[in-house]
Amino acid sequence: GAVVSQHPSWVICKSGTSVKIECRSLDFQATTMFWYRQFPKQSLMLMATSNEGSKATYEQGVEKDKFLINHASLTLSTLTVTSAHPEDSSFYICSALSGTSSYEQYFGPGTRLTVT
Amino acid sequence: QKEVEQNSGPLSVPEGAIASLNCTYSDRGSQSFFWYRQYSGKSPELIMFIYSNGDKEDGRFTAQLNKASQYVSLLIRDSQPSDSATYLCAESNTGNQFYFGTGTSLTVIP
Repeated sequence: GAVVSQHPSWVICKSGTSVKIECRSLDFQATTMFWYRQFPKQSLMLMATSNEGSKATYEQGVEKDKFLINHASLTLSTLTVTSAHPEDSSFYICSALSGTSSYEQYFGPGTRLTVT
Repeated sequence: QKEVEQNSGPLSVPEGAIASLNCTYSDRGSQSFFWYRQYSGKSPELIMFIYSNGDKEDGRFTAQLNKASQYVSLLIRDSQPSDSATYLCAESNTGNQFYFGTGTSLTVIP
């Protein structure tokens, strides 16, 4: 149980375009999902907390107009990187809190974004 | 500022030995502690969580929590080359916010 999927697993896009990443909890409902970014050889950096049916809470320094988060259902959250630039190239990982225990978060497999 | 600190390593142990990974945290209100394993290029995988002082064992893994010293550790017995990865420590006091350490790189030498 507690499986989280992400799509796509990797994407290459041109500078200035937008990219949408989907995060789904496959076998449980997740009222809360998190979006992280990880640069090579660095730790996870929390970008935002996504709560179903409400606006996402962004961490300090993360531009909410650039990284649009939508948590429209209990099993789906999306992250859209708008007007992507090469410095946005990173490994984006989502996680979801398991409904069986709100303190256990399970991670998706990640999406590797390359902006050319 | 809540902080979770880990020695970045790398930590090298021979196959079959015990690997000991340590983590300290600054928030005395922290309630829950987690250990994740992350292979290169992959996302983190939950190994263990611990809420109470003392030891918690799961197979070859033992988590140890000492809230008075604000210290949590992970012991891996009979280390295998497949255990080579980065281990992330995380804590939460609300269940809705998690703070991660920078990770400790472990290499198990065959």
